[in-house]
Amino acid sequence: GAVVSQHPSRVICKSGTSVKIECRSLDFQATTMFWYRQFPKQSLMLMATSNEGSKATYEQGVEKDKFLINHASLTLSTLTVTSAHPEDSSFYICSARGLSGTSGGTDTQYFGPGTRLTVL
Amino acid sequence: GNSVTQMEGPVTLSEEAFLTINCTYTATGYPSLFWYVQYPGEGLQLLLKATKADDKGSNKGFEATYRKETTSFHLEKGSVQVSDSAVYFCALSDPAGGFKTIFGAGTRLFVKA
Repeated sequence: GAVVSQHPSRVICKSGTSVKIECRSLDFQATTMFWYRQFPKQSLMLMATSNEGSKATYEQGVEKDKFLINHASLTLSTLTVTSAHPEDSSFYICSARGLSGTSGGTDTQYFGPGTRLTVL
Repeated sequence: GNSVTQMEGPVTLSEEAFLTINCTYTATGYPSLFWYVQYPGEGLQLLLKATKADDKGSNKGFEATYRKETTSFHLEKGSVQVSDSAVYFCALSDPAGGFKTIFGAGTRLFVKA
């Protein structure tokens, strides 16, 4: 099946620094990737939709200047949390949308294992 | 707008008990419906899906039927195991909504030996 990886799996940083999280589709090309944030014991909140070669579409209430998304290739999207603060500490999960003609189809998303960010 | 409502947890069962986790949805188009499972400290895994009314998705002993008339997609398993302990998310993906996936709040399942 389709595999999505994230790196790093866990990161601890100081307040005010920037952190980059990578999301890769390992065995398929993903024109669309999604970035989610998950708070403890809560559901996933969609932050933005990342389309290869174009600007990301952010959900209402998500600061695009704080959460920079780049989707430079069909297998890689990055999320950069700029000037991180303790309130940005969370579990960040990416997903890649399946392709037409694959077993999953275009309506299935394949999720990465998540990145736990802790800002001190 | 589209939304997913699932039963609140946690749900605690003994091994080999029958499991039902209720899920209902509202959608403007014709969504696909999903159940995802999240084991402790991990990301989400697709458990099963159904793409149209009356479809039944099944995997690892779990099953759910897409009921358009009741807008439901309840998850069931006849005999749960300790290893099924996880958080289960019901979700929908609507082509009319750009294939964004809308998740329910999640239901935590504890299975005791």
